[in-house]
Amino acid sequence: AQSVTQPDIHITVSEGASLELRCNYSYGATPYLFWYVQSPGQGLQLLLKYFSGDTLVQGIKGFEAEFKRSQSSFNLRKPSVHWSDAAEYFCAVGSNDYKLSFGAGTTVTVRA
Amino acid sequence: NAGVTQTPKFQVLKTGQSMTLQCAQDMNHEYMSWYRQDPGMGLRLIHYSVGAGITDQGEVPNGYNVSRSTTEDFPLRLLSAAPSQTSVYFCASRPGAYNSPLHFGNGTRLTVT
Repeated sequence: AQSVTQPDIHITVSEGASLELRCNYSYGATPYLFWYVQSPGQGLQLLLKYFSGDTLVQGIKGFEAEFKRSQSSFNLRKPSVHWSDAAEYFCAVGSNDYKLSFGAGTTVTVRA
Repeated sequence: NAGVTQTPKFQVLKTGQSMTLQCAQDMNHEYMSWYRQDPGMGLRLIHYSVGAGITDQGEVPNGYNVSRSTTEDFPLRLLSAAPSQTSVYFCASRPGAYNSPLHFGNGTRLTVT
């Protein structure tokens, strides 16, 4: 079975600074990888996904993520954060079954 | 296009009571699922369905029942609520392909006293 680790529970970043959220997965074959964002009181919204091809994927809201097979990682980045990026971010891994596994999430606080 | 609709948004139950959380989607998605979200634990899969009449257990199925009589609806039933079931519940759906992203509802916040 697949699993996901998000090592950082909480990150604080200044507005305009860069952001990187870490995600490590465990799965024997090529996984399907997703990043979701959750604003308070809301459901989860897809930021981006990877399942094959170019290992650097672009998503919505200026986010990108890079798949590194050798490190079993799929880190999320944004060059310059906005106050509206304050939210909880979840990495998820899927495989050739019907189960999608989520990490515990990273809460991002943006300070002015 | 409403997407995934969950009702109710909030619910308080006493221990031992039963209730059904409703989930409906209007995107003709084959796959539907229920997750619970608890602080520090992310989302954990409770049950899922790959089509009408087909359901299966996820990671934390105990204490929950599901059925899928139509493509659109996937209700989650708590037969005898326990305080450990206090959580936020999300319904999600997607087309049948494994690499399709999930579409989430806005959640139901359940408190069991």
